[in-house]
Amino acid sequence: NAGVTQTPKFQVLKTGQSMTLQCAQDMNHNSMYWYRQDPGMGLRLIYYSASEGTTDKGEVPNGYNVSRLNKREFSLRLESAAPSQTSVYFCASNTDPKRDGYTFGSGTRLTVV
Amino acid sequence: EDQVTQSPEALRLQEGESSSLNCSYTVSGLRGLFWYRQDPGKGPEFLFTLYSAGEEKEKERLKATLTKKESFLHITAPKPEDSATYLCAVPSRAGAGSYQLTFGKGTKLSVIP
Repeated sequence: NAGVTQTPKFQVLKTGQSMTLQCAQDMNHNSMYWYRQDPGMGLRLIYYSASEGTTDKGEVPNGYNVSRLNKREFSLRLESAAPSQTSVYFCASNTDPKRDGYTFGSGTRLTVV
Repeated sequence: EDQVTQSPEALRLQEGESSSLNCSYTVSGLRGLFWYRQDPGKGPEFLFTLYSAGEEKEKERLKATLTKKESFLHITAPKPEDSATYLCAVPSRAGAGSYQLTFGKGTKLSVIP
C-alpha cells in the first residue's frame, strides 16, 4: 500500500530554473494539498484541490502553480525558482477535509541556489 | 483567522520522565483537533483525532486530551524512540465548502537514555 508518493526526493535548482514536483495517491482520496515546511514557520499551505477538476490558493501561493491531473495526481510547478523557495515540500491527501486527517508523502527537499 | 499555538517549542526528557505537550487553539467552531508525529526527514504521521471537549485517546505511551481551548499530549514513561516533533492541527475553512488543516509549529521532543 503506497499511500502518497512524491518525486523527486531531493532537487537542486539554479535561480530562474523551472521544475515540477509530482504527487500521486492510491487511496481514492478526493482532496489533495501542497504544503511547504520551513524552520520556525511550520507547515504552510501553498495550494489545494478539494476535488478532481478544482484547485485553490492557500496561504503562500505566489511563485507556484498546480495541476490536478486526475483524481490520483496533483503536481506543483515552480516556473522561475527563487532562493526563497528553498524548502521541504509535502503533498497530502484525505477524503473528508472536515473530519479526516491527512496522509502525507515523504517530502521533496528543494534547494535553490 | 484560526490559530494554533504549541508549547514548549522544545522539550528534553530523561527516559521514563513523564510530561505533557500543549496545543492551544482559536477557531470559529471546532471541527476536530489532530495530532501528528514527524521524524527527521519524513512526512508527518497521523496519531489522533479528537472531536469534542472531554474526549481522550491513547496509543502506547501517548494520551491526547481535549478541552474547549486546548489539547494536551501526555507522554508517560517515554523511551528514546518517542523522540520526534509533535504537531497539532485544526480544520479551517479554506473556501466555499472547503477545509484545510492549520498547523502549529510543533514541539520537538528529545528523550535521553
